[in-house]
Amino acid sequence: EVQVVESGGGLVQPGRSLRLSCAVSGFTFDDYAMHWVRQVPGKGLEWVSGINWRSDSIGYADSVKGRFTISRDNAKNSLYLQMNSLRTEDTALYYCAKGGGPGIAAAGIPVDYWGQGTLVTVSS
Amino acid sequence: DIQMTQSPSTLSASVGDRVTITCRASQSIINWLAWYQQKPGKAPKLLIYKASSLHSGVPSRFSGSGSGTEFTLTISSLQSDDFATYYCQQYNSHSWTFGQGTKVEIK
Repeated sequence: EVQVVESGGGLVQPGRSLRLSCAVSGFTFDDYAMHWVRQVPGKGLEWVSGINWRSDSIGYADSVKGRFTISRDNAKNSLYLQMNSLRTEDTALYYCAKGGGPGIAAAGIPVDYWGQGTLVTVSS
Repeated sequence: DIQMTQSPSTLSASVGDRVTITCRASQSIINWLAWYQQKPGKAPKLLIYKASSLHSGVPSRFSGSGSGTEFTLTISSLQSDDFATYYCQQYNSHSWTFGQGTKVEIK
């Protein structure tokens, strides 16, 4: 059974940093791209970042480019999101999602499994 | 970034109705479009990928069509379990974007 579990959310002040983690099981992690998607409670979905299977193809939303860094450790079956210079508008539920294949663009299924999310609140 | 515009934002319908949701891309995304269903407090679920391919386990009353910049999601006969919010998403490039969502409500 595929499992995707996010952690690391919490309350943080504007301008500070936070690192999210995503632990997965039930599939061969290094065969698949992974993504972060966020959602302000009661609002729509926003794709944040994606990384391909071997970390040589990465994309970011314009809203986080230069502040957030996605990475993965295939040996630990884990995905990360380093969030720096946080803003109040980064407050959201952050989902980790499994890609449908090894790449992050223009191929087959985009994402097929999601975690339940970890809440990040940026406030003074 | 490619902008995705969904319409309508809200749709009121009854069980048994045929429902159509439209998604428009700001530039051609060929057929790299997906549709998701989300219920309150739950993660999204993939319904359709590559514009018209039905994801495993999704009921056949859901269908997708379109190419280039215009896409539609159709529910042929709305069931009580289908009242939810639906999102389109493009994955043509290395920067994905979602539509703003369409909430399907009970009429």
